[in-house]
Amino acid sequence: DGGITQSPKYLFRKEGQNVTLSCEQNLNHDAMYWYRQDPGQGLRLIYYSQIVNDFQKGDIAEGYSVSREKKESFPLTVTSAQKNPTAFYLCASSPGRMGKKENTEAFFGQGTRLTVV
Amino acid sequence: QKEVEQNSGPLSVPEGAIASLNCTYSDRGSQSFFWYRQYSGKSPELIMFIYSNGDKEDGRFTAQLNKASQYVSLLIRDSQPSDSATYLCAVRDTGRRALTFGSGTRLQVQP
Repeated sequence: DGGITQSPKYLFRKEGQNVTLSCEQNLNHDAMYWYRQDPGQGLRLIYYSQIVNDFQKGDIAEGYSVSREKKESFPLTVTSAQKNPTAFYLCASSPGRMGKKENTEAFFGQGTRLTVV
Repeated sequence: QKEVEQNSGPLSVPEGAIASLNCTYSDRGSQSFFWYRQYSGKSPELIMFIYSNGDKEDGRFTAQLNKASQYVSLLIRDSQPSDSATYLCAVRDTGRRALTFGSGTRLQVQP
């Protein structure tokens, strides 16, 4: 089955620790995205990538880093510089350059819930 | 920063009624608009997309777009308790080619 897989589902981070969230897709999509969702709020864009080996900062990139070495994978690292990392993290992908310009709907993984302990 | 605005709700409707969810956006150049449904603790799932002015129907759902007014809406006919969720409006950012989301409207369908 095609889809987007995020792991782990739950993650606990100690103060000052870096953690990496995994996101893998087998949809052959060009574009991938990371969003953060806080309780009762919408999704905010952290980083996005339209093509392999290229990525751009979103609206709240500080304290996060990403890589895009393979088309299928877009891992997100939450660094110790991110002072309030407790949130629900969502990875998404879309056809991007492959699809029609208009229909770039994004499909989401199941999310990773990160908690600082 | 480009914005997408939604009333946070909750919007409460009785079972069988029509639920109307609204969204406004600031990027006049936006071409693509999306509605997602998100159940508590789950990830968003795509319900509909629309990119032409007017109405687009899919089963019990109708999306309406008015680019001149920068307004997009979602109508849910014959609302069911299972429709109770948060509905997120998203607009494709013409510059970044990423989706900008509103904060969502929580819908409650009363049995």
